[in-house]
Amino acid sequence: GESVGLHLPTLSVQEGDNSIINCAYSNSASDYFIWYKQESGKGPQFIIDIRSNMDKRQGQRVTVLLNKTVKHLSLQIAATQPGDSAVYFCAEKKLYDKVIFGPGTSLSVIP
Amino acid sequence: DAGITQSPRHKVTETGTPVTLRCHQTENHRYMYWYRQDPGHGLRLIHYSYGVKDTDKGEVSDGYSVSRSKTEDFLLTLESATSSQTSVYFCAISERVVPEKLFFGSGTQLSVL
Repeated sequence: GESVGLHLPTLSVQEGDNSIINCAYSNSASDYFIWYKQESGKGPQFIIDIRSNMDKRQGQRVTVLLNKTVKHLSLQIAATQPGDSAVYFCAEKKLYDKVIFGPGTSLSVIP
Repeated sequence: DAGITQSPRHKVTETGTPVTLRCHQTENHRYMYWYRQDPGHGLRLIHYSYGVKDTDKGEVSDGYSVSRSKTEDFLLTLESATSSQTSVYFCAISERVVPEKLFFGSGTQLSVL
Protein backbone atom coordinates (compact mmCIF):
# COMPACT_ATOMS: atom_id res chain seq x y z
CA GLY A 1 0.00 0.00 0.00
CA GLU A 2 0.99 3.68 -0.23
CA SER A 3 2.43 5.53 2.74
CA VAL A 4 0.20 8.20 4.20
CA GLY A 5 1.68 10.87 6.42
CA LEU A 6 4.13 9.39 8.89
CA HIS A 7 2.70 5.86 8.85
CA LEU A 8 4.63 3.02 7.30
CA PRO A 9 2.78 0.70 4.93
CA THR A 10 2.13 -2.47 6.91
CA LEU A 11 1.83 -6.02 5.70
CA SER A 12 0.50 -8.75 7.99
CA VAL A 13 0.97 -12.39 7.01
CA GLN A 14 0.33 -15.72 8.66
CA GLU A 15 3.36 -17.73 9.66
CA GLY A 16 4.20 -20.19 6.89
CA ASP A 17 2.59 -18.11 4.14
CA ASN A 18 4.56 -16.31 1.46
CA SER A 19 5.08 -12.55 1.76
CA ILE A 20 5.35 -10.05 -1.06
CA ILE A 21 6.69 -6.59 -0.30
CA ASN A 22 6.42 -4.03 -3.06
CA CYS A 23 8.42 -0.93 -3.87
CA ALA A 24 8.17 1.74 -6.54
CA TYR A 25 11.49 3.30 -7.42
CA SER A 26 12.07 6.69 -8.98
CA ASN A 27 15.21 6.67 -11.11
CA SER A 28 15.07 4.66 -14.31
CA ALA A 29 18.85 5.12 -14.63
CA SER A 30 19.63 3.22 -11.41
CA ASP A 31 22.06 0.35 -11.89
CA TYR A 32 21.30 -1.64 -8.75
CA PHE A 33 18.35 -2.24 -6.50
CA ILE A 34 18.81 -3.51 -2.99
CA TRP A 35 16.64 -4.77 -0.16
CA TYR A 36 17.49 -4.15 3.49
CA LYS A 37 15.82 -5.57 6.59
CA GLN A 38 15.65 -3.61 9.84
CA GLU A 39 14.66 -5.35 13.04
CA SER A 40 13.43 -3.34 15.99
CA GLY A 41 16.25 -1.48 17.73
CA LYS A 42 18.87 -2.45 15.15
CA GLY A 43 20.46 -1.00 12.06
CA PRO A 44 19.38 -2.11 8.57
CA GLN A 45 20.90 -5.32 7.25
CA PHE A 46 21.58 -6.18 3.60
CA ILE A 47 19.34 -8.96 2.25
CA ILE A 48 19.73 -9.17 -1.51
CA ASP A 49 20.40 -7.00 -4.53
CA ILE A 50 19.63 -7.15 -8.24
CA ARG A 51 21.29 -5.51 -11.20
CA SER A 52 19.18 -3.44 -13.56
CA ASN A 53 19.82 -5.87 -16.44
CA MET A 54 18.14 -8.71 -14.53
CA ASP A 55 14.46 -9.50 -13.95
CA LYS A 56 14.74 -11.93 -11.09
CA ARG A 57 17.23 -13.05 -8.49
CA GLN A 58 16.85 -15.71 -5.85
CA GLY A 59 18.49 -16.05 -2.49
CA GLN A 60 17.83 -18.20 0.50
CA ARG A 61 14.03 -18.07 0.95
CA VAL A 62 13.91 -14.69 -0.79
CA THR A 63 13.33 -13.68 -4.39
CA VAL A 64 13.57 -10.20 -5.82
CA LEU A 65 11.68 -9.28 -8.98
CA LEU A 66 12.40 -6.19 -11.06
CA ASN A 67 9.97 -4.69 -13.56
CA LYS A 68 11.72 -1.79 -15.25
CA THR A 69 8.74 -0.99 -17.47
CA VAL A 70 6.72 0.23 -14.49
CA LYS A 71 9.70 0.93 -12.19
CA HIS A 72 8.58 -1.65 -9.66
CA LEU A 73 10.57 -3.88 -7.35
CA SER A 74 9.28 -6.66 -5.14
CA LEU A 75 10.69 -8.90 -2.44
CA GLN A 76 9.12 -12.31 -1.97
CA ILE A 77 9.76 -14.21 1.24
CA ALA A 78 8.87 -17.89 1.18
CA ALA A 79 7.40 -19.63 4.23
CA THR A 80 7.44 -16.50 6.35
CA GLN A 81 8.71 -16.98 9.90
CA PRO A 82 8.31 -14.85 13.05
CA GLY A 83 11.95 -13.80 12.68
CA ASP A 84 11.02 -12.14 9.40
CA SER A 85 9.00 -9.49 11.25
CA ALA A 86 10.83 -6.24 10.52
CA VAL A 87 10.80 -3.12 8.39
CA TYR A 88 11.98 -3.73 4.84
CA PHE A 89 13.57 -1.00 2.77
CA CYS A 90 14.13 -1.02 -0.93
CA ALA A 91 17.01 1.10 -2.17
CA GLU A 92 18.34 2.13 -5.55
CA LYS A 93 21.81 3.04 -6.67
CA LYS A 94 23.66 4.26 -9.70
CA LEU A 95 27.15 2.92 -10.17
CA TYR A 96 29.67 4.92 -8.09
CA ASP A 97 26.86 7.04 -6.64
CA LYS A 98 25.10 7.00 -3.30
CA VAL A 99 22.38 4.61 -2.16
CA ILE A 100 18.88 6.14 -2.03
CA PHE A 101 16.44 4.48 0.35
CA GLY A 102 12.68 4.20 0.09
CA PRO A 103 10.38 4.85 3.10
CA GLY A 104 10.07 1.20 4.12
CA THR A 105 7.33 -1.39 4.68
CA SER A 106 6.59 -3.00 8.01
CA LEU A 107 6.08 -6.79 7.90
CA SER A 108 4.25 -8.39 10.79
CA VAL A 109 4.12 -12.18 11.01
CA ILE A 110 1.14 -13.66 12.83
CA PRO A 111 2.04 -16.90 14.66
CA ASP B 1 26.90 -5.24 13.53
CA ALA B 2 29.97 -5.85 11.36
CA GLY B 3 32.50 -4.25 13.72
CA ILE B 4 30.78 -0.87 13.93
CA THR B 5 30.30 0.90 17.25
CA GLN B 6 28.23 4.02 17.66
CA SER B 7 28.43 6.15 20.78
CA PRO B 8 26.51 7.23 22.65
CA ARG B 9 23.53 4.92 22.07
CA HIS B 10 21.13 7.44 23.58
CA LYS B 11 21.45 11.15 24.23
CA VAL B 12 19.12 13.86 25.44
CA THR B 13 20.26 17.43 24.99
CA GLU B 14 18.90 20.94 24.94
CA THR B 15 18.32 23.22 22.00
CA GLY B 16 21.39 25.26 21.16
CA THR B 17 23.97 22.90 22.63
CA PRO B 18 26.68 21.22 20.55
CA VAL B 19 26.51 17.45 20.16
CA THR B 20 29.04 15.01 18.72
CA LEU B 21 28.21 11.45 17.73
CA ARG B 22 30.97 8.96 17.14
CA CYS B 23 31.23 6.02 14.78
CA HIS B 24 34.11 3.59 15.15
CA GLN B 25 34.80 0.69 12.78
CA THR B 26 37.23 -2.21 12.97
CA GLU B 27 36.72 -3.36 9.36
CA ASN B 28 39.15 -0.93 7.72
CA HIS B 29 36.46 0.02 5.18
CA ARG B 30 37.21 3.11 3.14
CA TYR B 31 33.69 4.57 2.98
CA MET B 32 31.71 5.77 5.98
CA TYR B 33 28.27 7.35 6.07
CA TRP B 34 25.97 9.12 8.48
CA TYR B 35 22.22 8.68 7.99
CA ARG B 36 19.26 9.91 9.94
CA GLN B 37 16.06 7.93 10.18
CA ASP B 38 12.70 9.58 10.74
CA PRO B 39 9.15 8.20 10.47
CA GLY B 40 7.88 8.48 6.91
CA HIS B 41 11.26 9.45 5.49
CA GLY B 42 13.24 6.26 5.64
CA LEU B 43 16.99 6.75 5.77
CA ARG B 44 18.43 10.04 4.55
CA LEU B 45 22.12 10.64 3.97
CA ILE B 46 23.67 13.47 5.98
CA HIS B 47 27.37 13.29 5.11
CA TYR B 48 29.79 10.67 3.93
CA SER B 49 33.51 10.09 3.77
CA TYR B 50 35.57 8.37 1.10
CA GLY B 51 38.85 8.47 3.01
CA VAL B 52 40.76 10.19 5.78
CA LYS B 53 39.99 13.92 5.65
CA ASP B 54 37.83 13.37 2.54
CA THR B 55 34.15 14.11 3.16
CA ASP B 56 31.16 15.28 1.19
CA LYS B 57 27.58 16.37 1.78
CA GLY B 58 24.50 14.22 1.50
CA GLU B 59 20.91 15.26 0.95
CA VAL B 60 20.24 16.66 4.46
CA SER B 61 23.58 18.16 5.49
CA ASP B 62 22.43 21.57 6.79
CA GLY B 63 23.20 21.97 10.48
CA TYR B 64 25.70 19.09 10.52
CA SER B 65 29.44 18.79 10.11
CA VAL B 66 31.71 15.76 10.04
CA SER B 67 35.32 14.89 10.50
CA ARG B 68 37.45 11.87 9.73
CA SER B 69 40.99 12.07 11.05
CA LYS B 70 41.50 8.30 11.12
CA THR B 71 40.20 5.48 8.92
CA GLU B 72 38.33 3.95 11.83
CA ASP B 73 36.56 7.03 13.21
CA PHE B 74 33.87 9.23 11.69
CA LEU B 75 32.40 11.99 13.83
CA LEU B 76 29.10 13.77 13.28
CA THR B 77 28.69 17.16 14.98
CA LEU B 78 25.58 19.21 15.48
CA GLU B 79 27.04 22.64 16.15
CA SER B 80 23.85 23.99 17.74
CA ALA B 81 21.21 21.32 18.13
CA THR B 82 17.60 22.05 17.16
CA SER B 83 14.41 20.10 17.88
CA SER B 84 14.19 19.16 14.18
CA GLN B 85 17.39 17.17 14.66
CA THR B 86 15.69 14.79 17.05
CA SER B 87 16.13 11.50 15.22
CA VAL B 88 17.84 8.14 15.15
CA TYR B 89 21.29 8.43 13.61
CA PHE B 90 22.96 5.51 11.89
CA CYS B 91 26.52 5.12 10.81
CA ALA B 92 27.28 2.82 7.89
CA ILE B 93 30.44 1.56 6.24
CA SER B 94 31.20 0.00 2.87
CA GLU B 95 33.99 -0.93 0.54
CA ARG B 96 32.19 0.55 -2.46
CA VAL B 97 32.83 -2.60 -4.43
CA VAL B 98 30.18 -3.51 -6.95
CA PRO B 99 27.53 -4.15 -5.81
CA GLU B 100 27.94 -1.95 -2.75
CA LYS B 101 26.74 -3.37 0.53
CA LEU B 102 26.24 -1.02 3.44
CA PHE B 103 26.88 -2.33 6.95
CA PHE B 104 25.10 -0.36 9.64
CA GLY B 105 25.76 0.31 13.28
CA SER B 106 23.06 -0.02 15.94
CA GLY B 107 22.14 3.65 15.90
CA THR B 108 22.07 6.60 18.27
CA GLN B 109 18.74 7.90 19.53
CA LEU B 110 19.10 11.68 19.90
CA SER B 111 16.44 13.82 21.55
CA VAL B 112 16.75 17.61 21.43
CA LEU B 113 14.44 19.30 23.92
